[in-house]
Amino acid sequence: AQTVTQSQPEMSVQEAETVTLSCTYDTSESNYYLFWYKQPPSRQMILVIRQEAYKQQNATENRFSVNFQKAAKSFSLKISDSQLGDTAMYFCAFSAGGGAQKLVFGQGTRLTINP
Amino acid sequence: GAVVSQHPSRVICKSGTSVKIECRSLDFQATTMFWYRQFPKQSLMLMATSNEGSKATYEQGVEKDKFLINHASLTLSTLTVTSAHPEDSSFYICSANHRGLTEAFFGQGTRLTVV
Repeated sequence: AQTVTQSQPEMSVQEAETVTLSCTYDTSESNYYLFWYKQPPSRQMILVIRQEAYKQQNATENRFSVNFQKAAKSFSLKISDSQLGDTAMYFCAFSAGGGAQKLVFGQGTRLTINP
Repeated sequence: GAVVSQHPSRVICKSGTSVKIECRSLDFQATTMFWYRQFPKQSLMLMATSNEGSKATYEQGVEKDKFLINHASLTLSTLTVTSAHPEDSSFYICSANHRGLTEAFFGQGTRLTVV
């Protein structure tokens, strides 16, 4: 069974700073995907970024980037130039490869961006 | 992007009654949909995998007779909480994957309160 661990229950930074959220996972799968989802107060789940395990290059989406360390089974999210709208719960998630697969979520990190 | 609509967004029901939650993929066909449950300040836990035209696959510990899932078409899955009790009060979220895509699209969620 796969497990996803987020060791930071809460984080808080000032606006415009850079923040890194940690995530580790455990799996015996060779083909899998990793995700970071954002859940704002509305509770709508929003995909922030996705990483395919077979790709060595770290994924980036504008101010969001990941540090994917496959051997260490680590998948951290870096948010640059943080904005007030980044305040939300952030969930790291894993899915096995091959079509529609269930997501296994970490415990979540509550991120607060202060003005 | 693909849109998943979940209805209702909030529902209050009396203990002992049943309540149905709908999850629709508006602009794509979803052969597989997933139902998650989220307790306050906790992560999302998979309840079941809904497969179009076949029986749902339930996660360990989830009562299939209590949480009835029907996936009668490629765009609609329903979750019926039967004989609801206060401990069933929670936030229920569905997701769907477009064929061939690994990205899951989430509904807005349903806050169920059983009184």
